[in-house]
Amino acid sequence: QKEVEQNSGPLSVPEGAIASLNCTYSDRVSQSFFWYRQYSGKSPELIMSIYSNGDKEDGRFTAQLNKASQYVSLLIRDSQPSDSATYLCAVSGQGAQKLVFGQGTRLTINP
Amino acid sequence: EAGVTQFPSHSVIEKGQTVTLRCDPISGHDNLYWYRRVMGKEIKFLLHFVKESKQDESGMPNNRFLAERTGGTYSTLKVQPAELEDSGVYFCASSQGQGTEQYFGPGTRLTVT
Repeated sequence: QKEVEQNSGPLSVPEGAIASLNCTYSDRVSQSFFWYRQYSGKSPELIMSIYSNGDKEDGRFTAQLNKASQYVSLLIRDSQPSDSATYLCAVSGQGAQKLVFGQGTRLTINP
Repeated sequence: EAGVTQFPSHSVIEKGQTVTLRCDPISGHDNLYWYRRVMGKEIKFLLHFVKESKQDESGMPNNRFLAERTGGTYSTLKVQPAELEDSGVYFCASSQGQGTEQYFGPGTRLTVT
């Protein structure tokens, strides 16, 4: 079992709709959770961080964390074609600063 | 504020040669990380510096890889001798505090032929 799992996609969503990206992790003591966006050939760009259970909203992005279910998600409202990218879920554990990444979900927003 | 920078952006070397990658973190960031993504795989951690000290080098694949961060500023990652399986994109990231957000550089694409 991989430490951090994401559906590789591709996930196709019409413009203006809500895109929902999911991630599960295996280490129960994980403390910090991050979503990165990566355009083709570019570096990962941090878009959301979440540390406690519940929802965290930033503009059109909402991160949701459920530690009991070991599940973290990212919602993108009013999806735009510029949101088309690969979204990486990353997790770090207690006392460990390294990030463990999922393989990423490729998202395509169709105009 | 300047972001994380990496040099070179792309390197093509032959098997058995040596390559040195450089990373300049965001100014004031004590924590510096190296990661690698090989074709078709997820990004994997290599090592973590706090200032000039290696905090965690559990991800270094073998002793052909040597990372340094003299003076606690920029870091270098040397691969000697390079093997075909070392091909991939090497990312550097930095953070202000431990456990906080990490910001990534543009990466160095290494191709070993």
